[in-house]
Amino acid sequence: GENVEQHPSTLSVQEGDSAVIKCTYSDSASNYFPWYKQELGKGPQLIIDIRSNVGEKKDQRIAVTLNKTAKHFSLHITETQPEDSAVYFCAATSSGGGADGLTFGKGTHLIIQP
Amino acid sequence: DAGITQSPRHKVTETGTPVTLRCHQTENHRYMYWYRQDPGHGLRLIHYSYGVKDTDKGEVSDGYSVSRSKTEDFLLTLESATSSQTSVYFCAIKTGGYEQYFGPGTRLTVT
Repeated sequence: GENVEQHPSTLSVQEGDSAVIKCTYSDSASNYFPWYKQELGKGPQLIIDIRSNVGEKKDQRIAVTLNKTAKHFSLHITETQPEDSAVYFCAATSSGGGADGLTFGKGTHLIIQP
Repeated sequence: DAGITQSPRHKVTETGTPVTLRCHQTENHRYMYWYRQDPGHGLRLIHYSYGVKDTDKGEVSDGYSVSRSKTEDFLLTLESATSSQTSVYFCAIKTGGYEQYFGPGTRLTVT
């Protein structure tokens, strides 16, 4: 089955700087890669996603890049703000439009230092 | 939370007792999922459903069963709860495309 590795487990950056979180996956058939943000006591919130036919996607300060050859994808957050502090999870699936669930990385705790 | 509610939100139970968690959606989506979240493990898929009475196992299904008798409800049952099932349980739905949206979670403690 799919295996998703995520790093770093903790990332501390100064407010206003950029943050990058990286994930690798094992199943070359994976075709959908979402990113979730989870605040304490809440459910994961989908913040951005990318499909395998696209190399990069951007939404305001957040961007995701995908390298299918190397089987890795990354989340980029620019101009970080205190409200960006949370745990971020990457995920992958080979059944993007089908029934199968997601395989998640173990999460990155992003800390924005004032 | 994409019209997803979970009940109860918190539960403490004793080892060996049966427990049922409920996920309810208001938008008639076909696909529903149960995940558990544990420190150091991220989220792991327990079971999923692709329609009424249509379910399948995920990565960590041992000790769990599910039922879906109506489109809007997906139930997760622990037949005999164990301490290893202490966790936070999340329900998710998939909308018409690829995106999965999660509910607020149920924190279950088995003593």
